[in-house]
Amino acid sequence: QQQVKQSPQSLIVQKGGISIINCAYENTAFDYFPWYQQFPGKGPALLIAIRPDVSEKKEGRFTISFNKSAKQFSLHIMDSQPGDSATYFCAASYGFQKLVFGTGTRLLVSP
Amino acid sequence: EAGVTQSPTHLIKTRGQQATLRCSPISGHTSVYWYQQALGLGLQFLLWYDEGEERNRGNFPPRFSGRQFPNYSSELNVNALELEDSALYLCASRGRTGSTDTQYFGPGTRLTVL
Repeated sequence: QQQVKQSPQSLIVQKGGISIINCAYENTAFDYFPWYQQFPGKGPALLIAIRPDVSEKKEGRFTISFNKSAKQFSLHIMDSQPGDSATYFCAASYGFQKLVFGTGTRLLVSP
Repeated sequence: EAGVTQSPTHLIKTRGQQATLRCSPISGHTSVYWYQQALGLGLQFLLWYDEGEERNRGNFPPRFSGRQFPNYSSELNVNALELEDSALYLCASRGRTGSTDTQYFGPGTRLTVL
C-alpha cells in the first residue's frame, strides 16, 4: 500500500526529444506528488510537484500529468537536453508525513 | 537563502563503531527528515523530527536514532555499524510557510563501513 512503482528503470532519449517517466501508487490517502532530480554525488532537488485536485501542471519544459482514477502520474520532459541527464524520482506523501519514493529512472539524453 | 547543510561529507568507519551525522535545516524550517539511499535500494525513510519531537520512524532497527536540537538542527546516530549501513544519508527540511509540503534535501553524508 505504501509503494510507489516507477518505470522505466532507465531511458535514453535523443536531444530535443520527449522523456516520459511513469509512476503508480496504491494508497489513496496520498495527497502530494513531487518529482525530484538527482545528479551523481548530490542530494535530490525538487523539480515539480502536483496535488490530486489538478490533472496537469507545467513548469517550463517539465509537465506532470495526473490521473487520479488510475492512480498514476507521469513526468514529461519536453525538448530534452544533455544537461537533463540525471536520475529522476517520483514520490508521494500525505499529511506532511514521509516521502515514499519510486525506485528511480536513470535518464541519458544523447547529444 | 542557504540550503540544507550536512556534515561531514564523507565518513569512514569500521564495523561495530558508532557514526554521528549532522544536519542544519533551511532557516525557519522546523521539520527535519532523514533518508537512507543505499545502492540498489532507492531512498528509504528513516526518521522525522518536528519541533524537537520524533514524529515518525521508518522500518529500521533501534541502532538508528537521532534527535533535534532547539535550533532545529538534527543529528542521526548509527550504533554498532554493520557493512550494509554503507549508504548516502540524506537530510531534508520542511517549513511551515509557503510550500509547506516541500522537503528540501541536503547534499548528503556518504557513510562507508569497512
